[in-house]
Amino acid sequence: QSALTQPASVSGSPGQSITISCTGTSSDVGGYNYVSWYQQHPGKAPKLMIYDVSNRPSGVPDRFSGSKSGNTASLTISGLQAEDEADYYCSSYTSSSTLVVFGGGTKLTVL
Amino acid sequence: EVQLVESGGGLVQPGGSLRLSCAASGFTFSSYSMNWVRQAPGKGLEWVSYISSSSSTIYYADSVKGRFTISRDNAKNSLYLQMNSLRDEDTAVYYCARTYSGSPGAFDIWGQGTMVTVSS
Repeated sequence: QSALTQPASVSGSPGQSITISCTGTSSDVGGYNYVSWYQQHPGKAPKLMIYDVSNRPSGVPDRFSGSKSGNTASLTISGLQAEDEADYYCSSYTSSSTLVVFGGGTKLTVL
Repeated sequence: EVQLVESGGGLVQPGGSLRLSCAASGFTFSSYSMNWVRQAPGKGLEWVSYISSSSSTIYYADSVKGRFTISRDNAKNSLYLQMNSLRDEDTAVYYCARTYSGSPGAFDIWGQGTMVTVSS
């Protein structure tokens, strides 16, 4: 069981917007602005899409945005494209004895 | 080109040991904290361990604490993971990853991964 809870799957049509949630606790997501989001295509290494809740690294399209409310962070992808079909993972700093926790991952299907 | 290349994976029996290496190039390795992240076949990502740029601060996931040891050699631009008392559930692709902008949990550069299989 992952420390952060994500929906197993989401889907959307090209051009639409989708949102993926990531729910934790006040010890991780809710307590710190250190939430990141990753995109992973099959057989590939993950790619950082969002860091510190809502910041995009250079080169990431502005169709990808992040936000947080309470213990839940969200990744929104607008103007869905076929190449967005992938697995998405959230991560967060945690004040527990470890340092970082991941969500279980969400499979995005572009219909 | 900024790059991380892992090596050292393979097949090992339960209870055995393995040492993974990660060679960094294209950036000032000694300025960045580093991590190991693993992914079991068909499963999600699991953070394994963190080491600060100077090796002064180290963290482990509860699942590997006491069995795995992270280390680095800044003179050789290399990161290591010594894995002892390996279990079936340690079977996974192991990635090394660079911490981005000092943000815990933000990893901007990843290696291609090295497969570790624990089986008798």
